[in-house]
Amino acid sequence: DADVTQTPRNRITKTGKRIMLECSQTKGHDRMYWYRQDPGLGLRLIYYSFDVKDINKGEISDGYSVSRQAQAKFSLSLESAIPNQTALYFCATSGRGPSDEQFFGPGTRLTVL
Amino acid sequence: SQKIEQNSEALNIQEGKTATLTCNYTNYSPAYLQWYRQDPGRGPVFLLLIRENEKEKRKERLKVTFDTTLKQSLFHITASQPADSATYLCALGSGGYQKVTFGTGTKLQVIP
Repeated sequence: DADVTQTPRNRITKTGKRIMLECSQTKGHDRMYWYRQDPGLGLRLIYYSFDVKDINKGEISDGYSVSRQAQAKFSLSLESAIPNQTALYFCATSGRGPSDEQFFGPGTRLTVL
Repeated sequence: SQKIEQNSEALNIQEGKTATLTCNYTNYSPAYLQWYRQDPGRGPVFLLLIRENEKEKRKERLKVTFDTTLKQSLFHITASQPADSATYLCALGSGGYQKVTFGTGTKLQVIP
């Protein structure tokens, strides 16, 4: 079984709809991250959480919100989806060490029409 | 502002040759640098870590160098194979606070 899972894997929605992307991990890590990936722009950090009570904005948090329901679960919401939020979204986890590697989920391909 | 540059053009090399990928950065003093591999439609996978006080790291056919004076890291794959074809991302991190910034990646194509 995968250590980091994301649901759904693919989603097509319409402008203005509320969307939730979910991430679960079995690695026992405290730290979790949400990124989006766009061609030519690379991976950009949306939100990150160092533990259940510690949630921080990344470089592109506008239009997004998150919820850390438990150590193993970190959800990303688009309150009112817009077409320029069409992208590939990744969840990742890491240990507490300052240079610990990140473990990524398989990604969610989101299309906003 | 901080900037990380990886060659946006794909790198095509012949099987068996050494592939060299470049990661340059400006306005940044990273404590460490990581390299990841990403296959199409999948999440990145960690390959190697090198810290600011290290010049070189090796792992099997992979070698990474880190030159803080030139603000550059080079990633080498020796005896390249078609299975090495993927996009390779560098990521820079500051010490004491584990949040990295990713480059845009370089696509490597190894031709049989």
